[in-house]
Amino acid sequence: AQSVTQLDSHVSVSEGTPVLLRCNYSSSYSPSLFWYVQHPNKGLQLLLKYTSAATLVKGINGFEAEFKKSETSFHLTKPSAHMSDAAEYFCVVSEGAGSYQLTFGKGTKLSVIP
Amino acid sequence: GAVVSQHPSWVICKSGTSVKIECRSLDFQATTMFWYRQFPKQSLMLMATSNEGSKATYEQGVEKDKFLINHASLTLSTLTVTSAHPEDSSFYICSASRSGTSTNEQFFGPGTRLTVL
Repeated sequence: AQSVTQLDSHVSVSEGTPVLLRCNYSSSYSPSLFWYVQHPNKGLQLLLKYTSAATLVKGINGFEAEFKKSETSFHLTKPSAHMSDAAEYFCVVSEGAGSYQLTFGKGTKLSVIP
Repeated sequence: GAVVSQHPSWVICKSGTSVKIECRSLDFQATTMFWYRQFPKQSLMLMATSNEGSKATYEQGVEKDKFLINHASLTLSTLTVTSAHPEDSSFYICSASRSGTSTNEQFFGPGTRLTVL
């Protein structure tokens, strides 16, 4: 079985400061991990994904995440927040590259203060 | 590439009526499509997985007679909410996996907001 825990339901940062959204996972197999962003009343957009290649994954809009197997973590970071980053972020796990079953975290709402 | 559309983007209907939501993969073929439901300020919950040409697989607790899924082609899946009631009001999101690849990435549609009066 697989599960995802997003450690913060809400994160607030000032514009121009770093962003850290935390995610821990559990999986019986080598997982695939994703971060998706959802703006209000919109669908989900893929920010980045880890599928057993490089542990530091770079995504769109300056986001990146590091897969740490020993800590079962996949935290999302960005050096400098922009107002347009304000949205809901979901950490998602899938058990192995061949599995289509996605398990979503509960989401972290990111607020960016001007 | 890998664009998924949904139609309609929002719908309001009276209690007891049925509503059909379409999910299309615009520039790729999708053997497998997924339907999710999202309540306000909550995460996505998988409702069912549909494979082209076969019956959908529903998650536990999802009424298959109420949420009819049809995946008649490699680019189209439909979700019909039958005899809708106010508790069915929600944000419905579909996703699709690209055929012929080993990746399990899903491409998500923009969602359909259903409000049942």
